[in-house]
Amino acid sequence: GESVGLHLPTLSVQEGDNSIINCAYSNSASDYFIWYKQESGKGPQFIIDIRSNMDKRQGQRVTVLLNKTVKHLSLQIAATQPGDSAVYFCAEAASNDYKLSFGAGTTVTVRA
Amino acid sequence: EPEVTQTPSHQVTQMGQEVILRCVPISNHLYFYWYRQILGQKVEFLVSFYNNEISEKSEIFDDQFSVERPDGSNFTLKIRSTKLEDSAMYFCASRGLAGSYNEQFFGPGTRLTVL
Repeated sequence: GESVGLHLPTLSVQEGDNSIINCAYSNSASDYFIWYKQESGKGPQFIIDIRSNMDKRQGQRVTVLLNKTVKHLSLQIAATQPGDSAVYFCAEAASNDYKLSFGAGTTVTVRA
Repeated sequence: EPEVTQTPSHQVTQMGQEVILRCVPISNHLYFYWYRQILGQKVEFLVSFYNNEISEKSEIFDDQFSVERPDGSNFTLKIRSTKLEDSAMYFCASRGLAGSYNEQFFGPGTRLTVL
């Protein structure tokens, strides 16, 4: 079946370095993509989103890149901080229903 | 800042018992969702709700599950006869405007433990 998935289950990064988290999706009907951050014991927290008519979107210290040709989504975090340690999920949705399909998650650990 | 709230934070129940998980979505939102997350796994869609009816439901959402918006503020998920495999975190989410791309806001979740 179609699903959203992440390339790596874990990522360890030095504080101050940049992080890149990758995600592959396979549902060609999806036109809306979101990155969520989940800290232990909490619900998913919205980070940034992107529509399929864009290939890049920037927020505060975060950038999302969308490559529709290869169905690839990435999240870049600049100057990673200890507070960025969490599980990161990509999710996809189609504009006709907006139900979210989540990927498996990448656990980011920031080393001091 | 408005937020989605959920109660209780943790519910322990015996297999076969009924549970009701409660959510208060953000007040001006129109779309409501329930998701679940089994420990260590990804978040899974259960059901979406709009205009007082179910919009879509997943295979997980069988006839043991039901949702209700009993008043103008609460959104509930009921499991009629809980099974061991229903143990999970249950997240409520809400979304605002119709017909536009906008984020779903998630609540903190209810941890359901079925013994």
